[in-house]
Amino acid sequence: GQQLNQSPQSMFIQEGEDVSMNCTSSSIFNTWLWYKQDPGEGPVLLIALYKAGELTSNGRLTAQFGITRKDSFLNISASIPSDVGIYFCAGQEETSGSRLTFGEGTQLTVNP
Amino acid sequence: EAQVTQNPRYLITVTGKKLTVTCSQNMNHEYMSWYRQDPGLGLRQIYYSMNVEVTDKGDVPEGYKVSRKEKRNFPLILESPSPNQTSLYFCASSPIRLAGVREQYFGPGTRLTVT
Repeated sequence: GQQLNQSPQSMFIQEGEDVSMNCTSSSIFNTWLWYKQDPGEGPVLLIALYKAGELTSNGRLTAQFGITRKDSFLNISASIPSDVGIYFCAGQEETSGSRLTFGEGTQLTVNP
Repeated sequence: EAQVTQNPRYLITVTGKKLTVTCSQNMNHEYMSWYRQDPGLGLRQIYYSMNVEVTDKGDVPEGYKVSRKEKRNFPLILESPSPNQTSLYFCASSPIRLAGVREQYFGPGTRLTVT
């Protein structure tokens, strides 16, 4: 299946800094999801987006569904050590029915 | 607590010995799915089910079987495991809304090693 282009692959930041990561696709998506995965655990849903242009927040996290419907970004403000983990984007193409396509993840490291 | 559970969490087995990984969800979700996660390959879908007695192949179904006899359970069966099936496996479930399958909720994972 198609892979999403997620960037950056990894980030090393200082506590308190803001973080931004994004995903792009060559196809039009009707759903964008952002997950966080801690080592040895399953992905946990952070934010779900369903409409082009939609901007949704969950605490210090904000995500947007791109106007072109081919991209999405996730921002984390004022990062803290527990933000460490792998962040995945996932999207559902209009024509895919139920299938989710996943990005390869952004490994975030936060230095105290 | 709404959740997806998987058992076992860790399993080491030998080539050819049949095994089953169970998955159960308590959210009354119609949709359930199995993924495997491998370094450099990300999450890949193995099988999915839109409802009881309805299953379909994902991207990497070879060597796996599933069944959906009850809404809450979706076991993954490896009839004759091979070393290339060593991986981290996740079960996920989702409600089906008017617009289709949307957000998926994942279980904690099963780490399988086949020697």
